[in-house]
Amino acid sequence: DADVTQTPRNRITKTGKRIMLECSQTKGHDRMYWYRQDPGLGLRLIYYSFDVKDINKGEISDGYSVSRQAQAKFSLSLESAIPNQTALYFCATSDPGYTDTQYFGPGTRLTVL
Amino acid sequence: QKEVEQNSGPLSVPEGAIASLNCTYSDRVSQSFFWYRQYSGKSPELIMSIYSNGDKEDGRFTAQLNKASQYVSLLIRDSQPSDSATYLCAVNDRGSTLGRLYFGRGTQLTVWP
Repeated sequence: DADVTQTPRNRITKTGKRIMLECSQTKGHDRMYWYRQDPGLGLRLIYYSFDVKDINKGEISDGYSVSRQAQAKFSLSLESAIPNQTALYFCATSDPGYTDTQYFGPGTRLTVL
Repeated sequence: QKEVEQNSGPLSVPEGAIASLNCTYSDRVSQSFFWYRQYSGKSPELIMSIYSNGDKEDGRFTAQLNKASQYVSLLIRDSQPSDSATYLCAVNDRGSTLGRLYFGRGTQLTVWP
């Protein structure tokens, strides 16, 4: 089984709808991250969490919110989806050690019509 | 904001050749350096990490780090068509955003038979 899972893997929604993307991990890592990827723009950090009680904004948090329900679960919500939030979304985890190595989930392809 | 710059590419090499991918970074306190490979529509996969100046070899891959020049590179020897992907350089932050990784926009590599 995959160490980092994301659901759904693909989602098509309409403008104005609320949508939640979920991430679960079995790696036992404390740190979790949400990124979005757009063609030509690379990976951009939306939110990150270093433990259940620690949530931090990344570079592009506007229009997004997160919830860290447990060490293993980190959800990303779009309160009112808009077309420019169409992108590939990745969850990642890391261990709070020296190296900061991150491991990625398979991604969610989101389309907002 | 930490800067991570990669040669924009695309880079095209024939099968069997050496592919050279380059990355520079702005933050002198970075201590961990990573190369991720990403196939189209898939998630980034860690292929190399390096923490000390010099070369680190793993199979056909060699990572090279020069902290004085703030430069990290990836060499792929005996390139194969299956190496065709986008390669992302990432560096960690040991300063104000401790534990985060900063990613370059990636270099697209095509290996033609």
